[in-house]
Amino acid sequence: GAGVSQTPSNKVTEKGKYVELRCDPISGHTALYWYRQSLGQGPEFLIYFQGTGAADDSGLPNDRFFAVRPEGSVSTLKIQRTERGDSAVYLCASSSQSAANSPLHFGNGTRLTVT
Amino acid sequence: ELKVEQNPLFLSMQEGKNYTIYCNYSTTSDRLYWYRQDPGKSLESLFVLLSNGAVKQEGRLMASLDTKARLSTLHITAAVHDLSATYFCAVDFASGTYKSIFGTGTRLKVLA
Repeated sequence: GAGVSQTPSNKVTEKGKYVELRCDPISGHTALYWYRQSLGQGPEFLIYFQGTGAADDSGLPNDRFFAVRPEGSVSTLKIQRTERGDSAVYLCASSSQSAANSPLHFGNGTRLTVT
Repeated sequence: ELKVEQNPLFLSMQEGKNYTIYCNYSTTSDRLYWYRQDPGKSLESLFVLLSNGAVKQEGRLMASLDTKARLSTLHITAAVHDLSATYFCAVDFASGTYKSIFGTGTRLKVLA
């Protein structure tokens, strides 16, 4: 079956520009997560959606970062006034939290490079 | 502070040898996961551990959980080259919402 889909796979942007990263979760998964992974590091939690609402956005580094999931399926991570330090792989994951043992299913990520 | 620590960070081992990767976490949790990541790829779920004393095995990998010690181990038996990857543990901290906090990862290289 279809897994978590992220687009674009690569994004190069100039410092100060605005970017949007898209995530299409596994159909029927109510929970959706965004993580950021820098080279040689573990994924860093950014935000978690349960349905349409952001249940936990404590990982967003500052107010330049924002994410939405208006219909409870596709999510968009938005970054304003990008900085070079935002360069990383942005991972989206979904899970079916109706199951007790529900690991995260990750997409292949979007590699963001800010020049 | 929610912290998940793994050791070692890097592990180079010969084929056929056994070794253990350790994952310590800082506060109470009832769910721990192990993931594998190949270079340039995304993360793949290996094990889900839900209770104290849980043990799961798949092939040459075995994971266990001790919630009292806040410790999980990933044991590798008779390593083969195909196991070369980075292994992450992740812990769900139930602070109103479930979010997985990941360890720093253990980069495993199995030498032929």
